[in-house]
Amino acid sequence: QKEVEQNSGPLSVPEGAIASLNCTYSDRVSQSFFWYRQYSGKSPELIMSIYSNGDKEDGRFTAQLNKASQYVSLLIRDSQPSDSATYLCAVYSGGGADGLTFGKGTHLIIQP
Amino acid sequence: DGGITQSPKYLFRKEGQNVTLSCEQNLNHDAMYWYRQDPGQGLRLIYYSQIVNDFQKGDIAEGYSVSREKKESFPLTVTSAQKNPTAFYLCASSIPDPSNQPQHFGDGTRLSIL
Repeated sequence: QKEVEQNSGPLSVPEGAIASLNCTYSDRVSQSFFWYRQYSGKSPELIMSIYSNGDKEDGRFTAQLNKASQYVSLLIRDSQPSDSATYLCAVYSGGGADGLTFGKGTHLIIQP
Repeated sequence: DGGITQSPKYLFRKEGQNVTLSCEQNLNHDAMYWYRQDPGQGLRLIYYSQIVNDFQKGDIAEGYSVSREKKESFPLTVTSAQKNPTAFYLCASSIPDPSNQPQHFGDGTRLSIL
């Protein structure tokens, strides 16, 4: 069974600080990794994708991947109250259209 | 604008009733998916379809049925056999290999029992 683990939180971070969200996965052959943001009552929206080891930056967001440790993280710099949401980690392990596994999400709260 | 349209936004089911959730996409994607999300939980795959007239069961298909008669449409029926249907239902689409094309989601349908 492929598993994607996230701390459910809530993770509380002061405005302007760095928020760090973590995700571990069980399947060593996982190929692609995604972070989705989901506001309460809304559908998920993709904010970052990463496919190779190292860091990938996009604006205030940085995704970090370490395949040896089976670990992927999302850093949010200069956190804003609008960043308060649940962040879902998703991992694609191949095998076709049903190969994407979602974690349960981390609830992030940015305190003004 | 391209996207995924789910309807209705809210739906109520009576005891013993079947209800159908609509999902339409104009992204020209071959693959479509239905997920269920319960409070505090991740997304669980109900059914998926990689091509017209073909679909496969996901992790929690019992009590649900689907059809894929057109590329643009992938309706989900929640049957009376699904004893705990209250959840947030999300439709998604992608090219058949999602490794480089993450799934795009509709706005969801919230289903409740009357």
